[in-house]
Amino acid sequence: NAGVTQTPKFRVLKTGQSMTLLCAQDMNHEYMYWYRQDPGMGLRLIHYSVGEGTTAKGEVPDGYNVSRLKKQNFLLGLESAAPSQTSVYFCASRTGRGTLGRPQHFGDGTRLSIL
Amino acid sequence: TQLLEQSPQFLSIQEGENLTVYCNSSSVFSSLQWYRQEPGEGPVLLVTVVTGGEVKKLKRLTFQFGDARKDSSLHITAAQPGDTGLYLCAGEGTGTASKLTFGTGTRLQVTL
Repeated sequence: NAGVTQTPKFRVLKTGQSMTLLCAQDMNHEYMYWYRQDPGMGLRLIHYSVGEGTTAKGEVPDGYNVSRLKKQNFLLGLESAAPSQTSVYFCASRTGRGTLGRPQHFGDGTRLSIL
Repeated sequence: TQLLEQSPQFLSIQEGENLTVYCNSSSVFSSLQWYRQEPGEGPVLLVTVVTGGEVKKLKRLTFQFGDARKDSSLHITAAQPGDTGLYLCAGEGTGTASKLTFGTGTRLQVTL
């Protein structure tokens, strides 16, 4: 009963390095989302996907890229990390079926520090 | 950009006290969701309100959606230490992908 799994849980990068955060869900959800959470700012949407092979920009997409080659996986990439990208990153998924009000299911986050 | 203002930002109370958290916006949402987040974990849904004026109760927690579907409140009666956590409201948009706009959060600490 894994739900949404994020890897890695922690990572420290140097400015300019690149990395990919992986999100995997086992609930057959159509919609997936990447957020960042910073103190006093709640969660802000970076990118999202409504299905395999489709992605779209959210509120704060600059500096990030995403891919959804398989329905169950949603990857978030940082091509050239900057200190401003130090944050906790959360992935979430949601069913695309049914009425509004369905919950988003979150992973436990990736804590990323850029030095 | 839709904004959700949540207040208060921090709340430290003693066990048994009552409290109310407010979530306000100038935008209309198709639903309003409340999540609770524990340290080191992702947010977990507490409740969803959909209809303007709707009131939902979850044990000692009462959630209300404003008549105009722009604001919501969370009231906790007789708070317990187990209620400690970060409470987040989130408004669901009307477009595709059911995107959520999150409030800034209310960090609640309940002490004995």
